Amino acid sequence: AQKVTQAQTEISVVEKEDVTLDCVYETRDTTYYLFWYKQPPSGELVFLIRRNSFDEQNEISGRYSWNFQKSTSSFNFTITASQVVDSAVYFCALTGSMDSNYQLIWGAGTKLIIKP
Amino acid sequence: EAGVAQSPRYKIIEKRQSVAFWCNPISGHATLYWYQQILGQGPKLLIQFQNNGVVDDSQLPKDRFSAERLKGVDSTLKIQPAKLEDSAVYLCASSHNWQAAGETQYFGPGTRLLVL
Repeated sequence: AQKVTQAQTEISVVEKEDVTLDCVYETRDTTYYLFWYKQPPSGELVFLIRRNSFDEQNEISGRYSWNFQKSTSSFNFTITASQVVDSAVYFCALTGSMDSNYQLIWGAGTKLIIKP
Repeated sequence: EAGVAQSPRYKIIEKRQSVAFWCNPISGHATLYWYQQILGQGPKLLIQFQNNGVVDDSQLPKDRFSAERLKGVDSTLKIQPAKLEDSAVYLCASSHNWQAAGETQYFGPGTRLLVL
């Protein structure tokens, strides 16, 4: 069965600190995709990144970086020099198999609070 | 490029009343999704359309929920009659074509429903 685990329910840090959000996944598929979405208080889910299972290169986008490690089935997300605007719930998701119409398997989300 | 549009943004109704939500996907996106998100949880897929056909509605409570996408573009989700437990955010998302593995889903701002 496919599963996404975000063990951190809530993280609170002071502005300018670095913070890492953990994501661990389970799948038997050899080809799969992983996603991160941000959900600010306004409620919209904002797409951040997509990574396929054959590309283990780390990704950096400004203050955001992602570390994909197939050996540990993890796809962690780091925010460097956090800002108050980063406060949101962050979701990690995994594509299901074609048998499940490639529907997204969602983690429970991590609520990130950045204090000024 | 315009994003996914949804209306209304907020709705308050009493139990046993009916309500309808509207979604217009990103232009050219063949696949449209409706999700229900209860506070503190990840999104739960209700129904998935490909053009004007239903791909999956296995998690749609069909005794009270219905959805249509008659012309293969915009879509309407209806609840009749509403129950207290239907209080949630209803999210619409779209993607180019679900049959391509790893397709990114883009979300609208959501409709917050409160049933009293």
